[in-house]
Amino acid sequence: AQSVSQHNHHVILSEAASLELGCNYSYGGTVNLFWYVQYPGQHLQLLLKYFSGDPLVKGIKGFEAEFIKSKFSFNLRKPSVQWSDTAEYFCAVNMDTGRRALTFGSGTRLQVQP
Amino acid sequence: SAVISQKPSRDICQRGTSLTIQCQVDSQVTMMFWYRQQPGQSLTLIATANQGSEATYESGFVIDKFPISRPNLTFSTLTVSNMSPEDSSIYLCSVVTRHVHEAFFGQGTRLTVV
Repeated sequence: AQSVSQHNHHVILSEAASLELGCNYSYGGTVNLFWYVQYPGQHLQLLLKYFSGDPLVKGIKGFEAEFIKSKFSFNLRKPSVQWSDTAEYFCAVNMDTGRRALTFGSGTRLQVQP
Repeated sequence: SAVISQKPSRDICQRGTSLTIQCQVDSQVTMMFWYRQQPGQSLTLIATANQGSEATYESGFVIDKFPISRPNLTFSTLTVSNMSPEDSSIYLCSVVTRHVHEAFFGQGTRLTVV
């Protein structure tokens, strides 16, 4: 079955530490890839997306992600996290590019300590 | 972008009753979806709301339990029928706009069934 895996369920970092959150998907066809963030009490917001082209994509708030097709991965990175990055992060994959519905990973709760 | 208004934001309901959730978008959109986020879990697609026709349900979700309407391009409703405590979740409306092929999310409806 098509699925999306996020390996880190809960990550605790100190401010200024570097962040990498893993995301893998199982689907051999064309995909569109997304990272969403959900700050406490707020709705899901798009951090970044990959449709085609340069596999290294930059998003808002200093986040970036790299699509490695051979590894079916789309890991999220940030060189230096801030306390305000405390949130839940979801990797999502569109495996039916005509319909554009999303399959979500289980989410990673990031806690940044000041 | 698209601004989504979802009502109610939360509700506590008695088992055996039904709740209808409304989703209003400020612009015409191509796709509307309903997702469920059970406590401590990720988002799962319930169905695609099709304008003027029956919704397309994912495996494990049926029309009798989750009837959906979409009378026009900017409005949809999801009804959770004959509720049980297992239906306690956050229900989210999501849209994909005509020009920007990314999904936007409402703030969700937090449903508690007692």
